Amino acid sequence: RKEVEQDPGPFNVPEGATVAFNCTYSNSASQSFFWYRQDCRKEPKLLMSVYSSGNEDGRFTAQLNRASQYISLLIRDSKLSDSATYLCVVMPKTGTASKLTFGTGTRLQVTL
Amino acid sequence: GAGVSQSPRYKVAKRGQDVALRCDPISGHVSLFWYQQALGQGPEFLTYFQNEAQLDKSGLPSDRFFAERPEGSVSTLKIQRTQQEDSAVYLCASSFSVGVKDEQFFGPGTRLTVL
Repeated sequence: RKEVEQDPGPFNVPEGATVAFNCTYSNSASQSFFWYRQDCRKEPKLLMSVYSSGNEDGRFTAQLNRASQYISLLIRDSKLSDSATYLCVVMPKTGTASKLTFGTGTRLQVTL
Repeated sequence: GAGVSQSPRYKVAKRGQDVALRCDPISGHVSLFWYQQALGQGPEFLTYFQNEAQLDKSGLPSDRFFAERPEGSVSTLKIQRTQQEDSAVYLCASSFSVGVKDEQFFGPGTRLTVL
């Protein structure tokens, strides 16, 4: 079983739609959680960190449920420019820098 | 530029050849990571350096893979006797310090194709 599991998609949504991605992680010792965005043939870039209290950045809302080991990302009012692969990422350790563990990514295609 | 740079951007190797991939992290960044990304997959951790010390190499798939960062800045990932399954994008990332809150900044990657 993969440490971080995501639905690979693709999710095809019209512009203006709301779309939600979910992922689950298996390592209960994971301490930090992120969503990264990766455009085709480009490097991953941090979209946002994820906290238990939930956090919002403009049209993007991320949520963490530690009890269920579940992370979500909600995108409201989708734009064409949101088309990309969204990677769910966990980091197991605290205190020192540690490796990121990535899911396979969920591909989003926003259409006119 | 101020970002992480990697060279070469593309590398084609014949099976059995040795390759060396270079990473120039952001100046002053203490932490440096290498990841391998196969087609259609998320990046997978290979190894981690804190300055010149290689603190974690648990992700290196075999003893054909070797990484170094001798002066705590530039890093090289070397793959000996390349195999077709080594074909992937090799991503380097750096972060300012050692804290878990420090964002990892990724380079553009080296796309390795082994024929």
